[in-house]
Amino acid sequence: EDQVTQSPEALRLQEGESSSLNCSYTVSGLRGLFWYRQDPGKGPEFLFTLYSAGEEKEKERLKATLTKKESFLHITAPKPEDSATYLCAVGGTGFQKLVFGTGTRLLVSP
Amino acid sequence: DGGITQSPKYLFRKEGQNVTLSCEQNLNHDAMYWYRQDPGQGLRLIYYSQIVNDFQKGDIAEGYSVSREKKESFPLTVTSAQKNPTAFYLCASRGLAGDGNEQFFGPGTRLTVL
Repeated sequence: EDQVTQSPEALRLQEGESSSLNCSYTVSGLRGLFWYRQDPGKGPEFLFTLYSAGEEKEKERLKATLTKKESFLHITAPKPEDSATYLCAVGGTGFQKLVFGTGTRLLVSP
Repeated sequence: DGGITQSPKYLFRKEGQNVTLSCEQNLNHDAMYWYRQDPGQGLRLIYYSQIVNDFQKGDIAEGYSVSREKKESFPLTVTSAQKNPTAFYLCASRGLAGDGNEQFFGPGTRLTVL
């Protein structure tokens, strides 16, 4: 059974304090690992797709990396507007379904 | 602007009532999905559809029904058989051939049973 585990469950940072979020996964035949950002009461917003170990993608202060067992979302010098829940999901064979983790709630204080 | 719309944003249901949540997309995507989100749990798949007039059950389909009569529309009905329907419902869509594999989400509908 495909599984995704995200850690930590919640993370509080000071503005400018860099950190990383973790997404560990087990899937039979990875067909993509996806990162989303979700603000309270809103739908998830797509951030990145990673397909193979060693792949990296960046967007502003965010950088996602992928290994064979986990992905990291690195946040460099975060700002209060980066506060949100970050969701990780994996796609297995056929891409018909995504399996989501429970998310990491990030709070960045000024 | 291309995107996914869901309506209503908030919905209140009395026990024993069926309610229908709307999802429309103008992204020309072939696949559409319905998820349920509860506090402390990941998104769980209810139903999905890859093509008009065809859909498949997801992991938690009991108490729900869908239709896909048009490519742009994928309404979800929450029936009285769903014992715990209070949740945040999210619709998503994905292009198929030649497009990326990521799913794009609508703004969600929050359903509360009174």
